[in-house]
Amino acid sequence: DIQMTQSPSSLSASGGDRVTITCRASQTISRNLNWYQQKPGKAPNLLIAMTSDLRSGVPSRFSGSGSGTDFTLTISSLQPEDFATYYCQQSYTIPITFGQGTRLEMK
Amino acid sequence: QVQLVQSGAEVKKPGASVKVSCKASGYTFSDYYIHWLRQATGQGLEWMGWIDPNSGGTNLAQRFQGTVIMTRDASMNTVYMELSSLRSDDTAVYYCARVTVALPYAKDFDYWGQGTLVTVSS
Repeated sequence: DIQMTQSPSSLSASGGDRVTITCRASQTISRNLNWYQQKPGKAPNLLIAMTSDLRSGVPSRFSGSGSGTDFTLTISSLQPEDFATYYCQQSYTIPITFGQGTRLEMK
Repeated sequence: QVQLVQSGAEVKKPGASVKVSCKASGYTFSDYYIHWLRQATGQGLEWMGWIDPNSGGTNLAQRFQGTVIMTRDASMNTVYMELSSLRSDDTAVYYCARVTVALPYAKDFDYWGQGTLVTVSS
């Protein structure tokens, strides 16, 4: 199975900050990397597919980059609604695997 | 609009089985694979497997082979996930999720059910 490792596990930031979350795969996954946002009590919401494809309705302050084994999610200017948990997911092969999550908290 | 609506919360005893349903609407049911995932409280997401609503074919994660059965009722636009031999560590929220594109290899999810909490306790 491909292991997905996110860092940091948690992050404290303030509104307006620029934040970056990293995801590393245990083997190459090309660009088959997706990012989800999850708020308490809710299902995950797909933000970015295939490393950098912003989903419809997702604000442009979210962006993704990377390839191979190393990927990043960047939020350019944090808004109050962005405080949530973020997961990366590889869609390269079965079994599908997720990172352990990054909890983004308000400082 | 696309919706996936899951059945309600369940409480089961160890060793029992549970069957969770996921009713789809707002799109052609047979065109998009449905995947099942679960999330224990405060934990990350675990992929369980997928079902092809057209053929009924399935592909399960290795750890769920032998304990999970995925089925569908095309007349009801509904898929089901049955988990048997329940243990306390099966306590989790179970989600169904639809893939983004109507292709067999799609493995990213744009629509999710609301989740079904399954609690396993004696």
